[in-house]
Amino acid sequence: NAGVTQTPKFRILKIGQSMTLQCAQDMNHNYMYWYRQDPGMGLKLIYYSVGAGITDKGEVPNGYNVSRSTTEDFPLRLELAAPSQTSVYFCASSYTGAGPYNSPLHFGNGTRLTVT
Amino acid sequence: GQQLNQSPQSMFIQEGEDVSMNCTSSSIFNTWLWYKQDPGEGPVLLIALYKAGELTSNGRLTAQFGITRKDSFLNISASIPSDVGIYFCAGQRGTYKYIFGTGTRLKVLA
Repeated sequence: NAGVTQTPKFRILKIGQSMTLQCAQDMNHNYMYWYRQDPGMGLKLIYYSVGAGITDKGEVPNGYNVSRSTTEDFPLRLELAAPSQTSVYFCASSYTGAGPYNSPLHFGNGTRLTVT
Repeated sequence: GQQLNQSPQSMFIQEGEDVSMNCTSSSIFNTWLWYKQDPGEGPVLLIALYKAGELTSNGRLTAQFGITRKDSFLNISASIPSDVGIYFCAGQRGTYKYIFGTGTRLKVLA
């Protein structure tokens, strides 16, 4: 069971370039999330999805786009990369149902992005 | 955006010592989670707490869900070198919204 898989692990972009960060989970989780982690800080939510075809903004969505065409995949798109987007990006998933004991977040190993 | 107050920010301890850290908030949460992050990796779940007052252990780790639902505590007993890392708390409110603390950086002196 691979869990949450993120690619690439590292990337350097020039200002104005675009790229897609890939995320896939094999746990049949309905919820998926993208977070960014800046040095010395906690995790901030960029976008999330409650199921295929449904996405919504988190705390810091500007400069990013997402799509969720399947339950397994949740790519994050950066358009016109800026130095402020230099960060470590984590994808996560969880199962959230009707009961109180929803599964906690399961994280991938992150993508380290530098924009210069 | 809102973040939890997590303390201490960092700490050095001697191997074998016990460690305590906590998270506090002005808001009520339904679930408290504790994660550990090793360098270059994603956070890994240590303990999940679902009820106010709940006390849960995972090996040498013990965590508690505060009675007021506004705080949580994590204790590590008899620390060892592999306990080094960053410990994050997270509070869940609603079905998707997780708020994270800024982390406690633990460094163990052998």
